Amino acid sequence: TQLLEQSPQFLSIQEGENLTVYCNSSSVFSSLQWYRQEPGEGPVLLVTVVTGGEVKKLKRLTFQFGDARKDSSLHITAAQPGDTGLYLCAGAKAGGTSYGKLTFGQGTILTVHP
Amino acid sequence: DVKVTQSSRYLVKRTGEKVFLECVQDMDHENMFWYRQDPGLGLRLIYFSYDVKMKEKGDIPEGYSVSREKKERFSLILESASTNQTSMYLCASSLWSLAGSDEQYFGPGTRLTVT
Repeated sequence: TQLLEQSPQFLSIQEGENLTVYCNSSSVFSSLQWYRQEPGEGPVLLVTVVTGGEVKKLKRLTFQFGDARKDSSLHITAAQPGDTGLYLCAGAKAGGTSYGKLTFGQGTILTVHP
Repeated sequence: DVKVTQSSRYLVKRTGEKVFLECVQDMDHENMFWYRQDPGLGLRLIYFSYDVKMKEKGDIPEGYSVSREKKERFSLILESASTNQTSMYLCASSLWSLAGSDEQYFGPGTRLTVT
């Protein structure tokens, strides 16, 4: 079983602060996805990064895929209370037999205090 | 708008009972997945299916079975529920592609408590 190590597990910060969540593996993935989950709901996709070194921005969120496609990071600038939630990274392997399976990290619970 | 629905949001069952969790998707997706979610462990894959009547074990299949008789419906079965199966169960679906990077769409989850 491939492992995706996500850190930190918990983040509690004040509104306006910046933060970074890391997702690391010894395995190479064809793509890396980031999901956000709110209480009582299923995860919802934020972004997919596919190319080594790729950087994608979604408003105040910046996602980066490592050059070797083994790691990824999520950086949030000027966090707001609405960013509160569980953030999950998930790696995908290419190939006909992968059937779209994802390997998930343990998740980061982010709390942004007003 | 993709929709994945799960039959129950909350379920309380007794040890030894047979439990059925139902999942339905309306986007004609080939792939369907069952996960359990526990604090600090992320999502762990129980079973998945890439076509009708086809199923594959995930990382933690012990104590579970699945059924996919129709493309839109994927059922998770706990043959004899045990307390260590108390968890949040999430169903997801996705299109099939060679890149394997298609988004998974999740249902709202079923919180199962086994007493």
